[in-house]
Amino acid sequence: AQTVTQSQPEMSVQEAETVTLSCTYDTSESDYYLFWYKQPPSRQMILVIRQEAYKQQNATENRFSVNFQKAAKSFSLKISDSQLGDAAMYFCAYKETSGSRLTFGEGTQLTVNP
Amino acid sequence: NAGVMQNPRHLVRRRGQEARLRCSPMKGHSHVYWYRQLPEEGLKFMVYLQKENIIDESGMPKERFSAEFPKEGPSILRIQQVVRGDSAAYFCASSPLSDGYTLTGELFFGEGSRLTVL
Repeated sequence: AQTVTQSQPEMSVQEAETVTLSCTYDTSESDYYLFWYKQPPSRQMILVIRQEAYKQQNATENRFSVNFQKAAKSFSLKISDSQLGDAAMYFCAYKETSGSRLTFGEGTQLTVNP
Repeated sequence: NAGVMQNPRHLVRRRGQEARLRCSPMKGHSHVYWYRQLPEEGLKFMVYLQKENIIDESGMPKERFSAEFPKEGPSILRIQQVVRGDSAAYFCASSPLSDGYTLTGELFFGEGSRLTVL
């Protein structure tokens, strides 16, 4: 069974600085998707960034980028120029290409200090 | 262009009562997923439905929980004889394609329904 591990229950960063959230996963599949979702206090699940495993290039969305290391099964999220609005719980998630479910990690609570 | 709509947003029930949570997928989406988020935990898959069919219910507790997605109307997650351990946020997500996901693999989530069992 696939598992997703986020080893940092809490992280904090100063406004305008950079922070990296870690995620590792376990799978025997060669093709799959990886996601980072943001959950602010409103509890809405917001997709931050996605990565297809067959793509070697790391995904980037504005201030958000990932470091995808397929051999190491690692998928970290880097947030540059952190803003107060980035404060939220961040979940890493995995999905098989042909599967029907997302497997989530336990989350990392990010605090942004002014 | 409404997103995934869930109601009620908050529901309080006493032990032994029934809870019904509703989910209307995004327009054009015919595939619905339910996830449960216990306090301080990530989301856990419960069930995947298409119109009038349950495709994967491997994450559903064997007793007291049921889900449906009728031809007309919203998807319903029903919890009978609720217990305190059922207190959680229940999220619905939808997607348009036959494999349950968009070509990018994304699900679109609602804002969740928070169930509190007294």
